[in-house]
Amino acid sequence: DGGITQSPKYLFRKEGQNVTLSCEQNLNHDAMYWYRQDPGQGLRLIYYSQIVNDFQKGDIAEGYSVSREKKESFPLTVTSAQKNPTAFYLCASSPGHSGANVLTFGAGSRLTVL
Amino acid sequence: QKEVEQDPGPLSVPEGAIVSLNCTYSNSAFQYFMWYRQYSRKGPELLMYTYSSGNKEDGRFTAQVDKSSKYISLFIRDSQPSDSATYLCARDNTDKLIFGTGTRLQVFP
Repeated sequence: DGGITQSPKYLFRKEGQNVTLSCEQNLNHDAMYWYRQDPGQGLRLIYYSQIVNDFQKGDIAEGYSVSREKKESFPLTVTSAQKNPTAFYLCASSPGHSGANVLTFGAGSRLTVL
Repeated sequence: QKEVEQDPGPLSVPEGAIVSLNCTYSNSAFQYFMWYRQYSRKGPELLMYTYSSGNKEDGRFTAQVDKSSKYISLFIRDSQPSDSATYLCARDNTDKLIFGTGTRLQVFP
């Protein structure tokens, strides 16, 4: 089945630790995205990548880092510099071609800082 | 002003009711508008998208865009308890989507 796999589904982190969230897609999509979701704030864009080895900051990139070494993978690292990392993180991908930018989402990863 | 504004609800309706969910947007330069449905603790899934002004229908769902008033709407006919979810509107910003905050809908039997 084609889709997006995010792991882990739940993650607990101590303050001061970096953690990496995995995102893998087998849809052969060019573009990939990371969003953060907090109650009452909708989806906010962290980083996105249109092609391999290139990515752009979204609206809330501070305290996060990404890499795009392979087309199918777009891991997100939440660093200790992120002041309030507890949230629901969503990875998405899209074909990246002209026309409607239709995103397919993964099931999400919930990060809790202890 | 946020680029996409959406009433967070919650909206509670009886089964069989017609539901109207609405968003306003501030930048009319882009053409595609989308509606996503998100069940609790799940990722959003695309319901439908529309191009420019007009209506698009898919079963019990109708999406409507009014570019003159910068208003987008989703209508759900004969609502079912399984429609209980958060509905997110989004504007296509060419290389990314700008989302509203989402409206939580509860359909009770």
